[in-house]
Amino acid sequence: DGGITQSPKYLFRKEGQNVTLSCEQNLNHDAMYWYRQDPGQGLRLIYYSQIVNDFQKGDIAEGYSVSREKKESFPLTVTSAQKNPTAFYLCASSSINFYNSPLHFGNGTRLTVT
Amino acid sequence: KQEVTQIPAALSVPEGENLVLNCSFTDSAIYNLQWFRQDPGKGLTSLLLIQSSQREQTSGRLNASLDKSSGRSTLYIAASQPGDSATYLCAALRGAGNNRKLIWGLGTSLAVNP
Repeated sequence: DGGITQSPKYLFRKEGQNVTLSCEQNLNHDAMYWYRQDPGQGLRLIYYSQIVNDFQKGDIAEGYSVSREKKESFPLTVTSAQKNPTAFYLCASSSINFYNSPLHFGNGTRLTVT
Repeated sequence: KQEVTQIPAALSVPEGENLVLNCSFTDSAIYNLQWFRQDPGKGLTSLLLIQSSQREQTSGRLNASLDKSSGRSTLYIAASQPGDSATYLCAALRGAGNNRKLIWGLGTSLAVNP
């Protein structure tokens, strides 16, 4: 079955360490997205990519970095510059024709930084 | 600035009831309105997408309507079941090209009691 795989499900890191969250999709979607979800706040867009080797900053890109070397993969690195990294991170993908194509989400990675 | 509001924030109903979840948006210039379901600790699952030229979409016991002029969408769930218990989020797509953006509501947490 096609879908989006995020790993790991839970991640624990010490403050000051960089950490990379994995996102792989086999839906043949061109566009991929990273969102952050915090209690009491709507989903916030971190980065998105419409094609391989190209990506754009979302609303809260500071302290994060991404790469898109393959169509299937869109890893997110949470750097030590991110002031409040503890959150639930969601990866999504969609057809490039996003006007009538919904987002497909992975099951998320819960990152805890202490 | 586009804002999306979901009312109520939480809802508890007995099994079998028909119910309506509300989503309002401040800017009527949207391209589509999407409804998602999120189970605790999981990613989002797309339920229905209504394009701006459409009035409603149906899938099984779910029916979503869109009234752009009044800035409202409703998700109707018929004959609710305990398995419908989840958080329901709506999101409005605005902008075009690289400026397109999904604006998210905070969700309605639904509990269907047996």
